[in-house]
Amino acid sequence: DVKVTQSSRYLVKRTGEKVFLECVQDMDHENMFWYRQDPGLGLRLIYFSYDVKMKEKGDIPEGYSVSREKKERFSLILESASTNQTSMYLCASSQIRGGNSPLHFGNGTRLTVT
Amino acid sequence: GESVGLHLPTLSVQEGDNSIINCAYSNSASDYFIWYKQESGKGPQFIIDIRSNMDKRQGQRVTVLLNKTVKHLSLQIAATQPGDSAVYFCAENIGEAAGNKLTFGGGTRVLVKP
Repeated sequence: DVKVTQSSRYLVKRTGEKVFLECVQDMDHENMFWYRQDPGLGLRLIYFSYDVKMKEKGDIPEGYSVSREKKERFSLILESASTNQTSMYLCASSQIRGGNSPLHFGNGTRLTVT
Repeated sequence: GESVGLHLPTLSVQEGDNSIINCAYSNSASDYFIWYKQESGKGPQFIIDIRSNMDKRQGQRVTVLLNKTVKHLSLQIAATQPGDSAVYFCAENIGEAAGNKLTFGGGTRVLVKP
């Protein structure tokens, strides 16, 4: 079974703090993704990566950056957290480049920015 | 538990009955579709997928039907059990022109009554 592990289940940060959300997958998948999930808005893609040191913007990249220094690890960075970034953050990985393979998700990090 | 959606459509079903969850997708060029299940406090879990060259695919207690004419996808769960209570999402790959990324529907909450 694919395992996608997000380092924190819950985080509380203050406005203006720099926040790191970490994600590790153990199946040697090429592709990794960060989504946020908000009531009424569903899952929205923030950033994704098809290879080490490679990143591409998703639909809502503003206020975020990412880092992929190793194949198994994909980090989401909030340079200066704001209250509108309070959300559930979901990391995912997939085996095949492009959309024709299922994403495997972690259990999410619920971030609250006060 | 955590809520993934405050105003989701809800399907109430008696334990042992069959459930049908519907999804209208947006793009006639979409060529790959997935159903996910999300339980409270967890990330989305892959259930079943189907490619656009198929009309029907069966898994264990689940069947996905694809009607490309009306751009409709459905998930049928046979003999619904209490453990099937969750939010169910469909996702579509809207094709190469849009970057081969998955786009997610808003979800349907399924409540199984004992």
